[in-house]
Amino acid sequence: DTAVSQTPKYLVTQMGNDKSIKCEQNLGHDTMYWYKQDSKKFLKIMFSYNNKELIINETVPNRFSPKSPDKAHLNLHINSLELGDSAVYFCASSQREAAEAFFGQGTRLTVV
Amino acid sequence: DQQVKQNSPSLSVQEGRISILNCDYTNSMFDYFLWYKKYPAEGPTFLISISSIKDKNEDGRFTVFLNKSAKHLSLHIVPSQPGDSAVYFCAASPNTGNQFYFGTGTSLTVIP
Repeated sequence: DTAVSQTPKYLVTQMGNDKSIKCEQNLGHDTMYWYKQDSKKFLKIMFSYNNKELIINETVPNRFSPKSPDKAHLNLHINSLELGDSAVYFCASSQREAAEAFFGQGTRLTVV
Repeated sequence: DQQVKQNSPSLSVQEGRISILNCDYTNSMFDYFLWYKKYPAEGPTFLISISSIKDKNEDGRFTVFLNKSAKHLSLHIVPSQPGDSAVYFCAASPNTGNQFYFGTGTSLTVIP
């Protein structure tokens, strides 16, 4: 019974396309996150939502837009994909802000 | 600007011996620290945490030590087992913040 699930696991797409990654958590957590792990393995937060409200929006191009339809879901939509967007994107959730997070399995995005 | 650093990208240890993974941070406002373990093609999994009011926290084979004056923490695994082979990330959060800053990880290999 997966706690944090994100789909798809792999995503290969051409430059300029628009794509979405979906995330769902069944832990009843209030806070959800999107992290990006780049080629240097650096794991950096992109967005944080608490009870569907945006809390953190790090320096991320506005081509990236998170959407939280309810507490259990936080989707990531990316417009006009660029080569530099290639990375592994992790969704995570925690009971409250700055508490230990539970991560999804990651989505490996490759832009060609 | 990386506020959390893991300067050893990799570490190899014989089964049964102690593994020591190190982490340094620069922000004196950090007061809550976590270690995560990550297997290939999976998301990070929370392992152990420590708050700045303690200098040691133990959970089974895993012990985290915090030296606030040196801005240094370490994770000790004893005895090390082959199943411990994974990438270990440390993360830190400031007392006024609501997010974690991650290091770049140390890949541990436990040799049978």
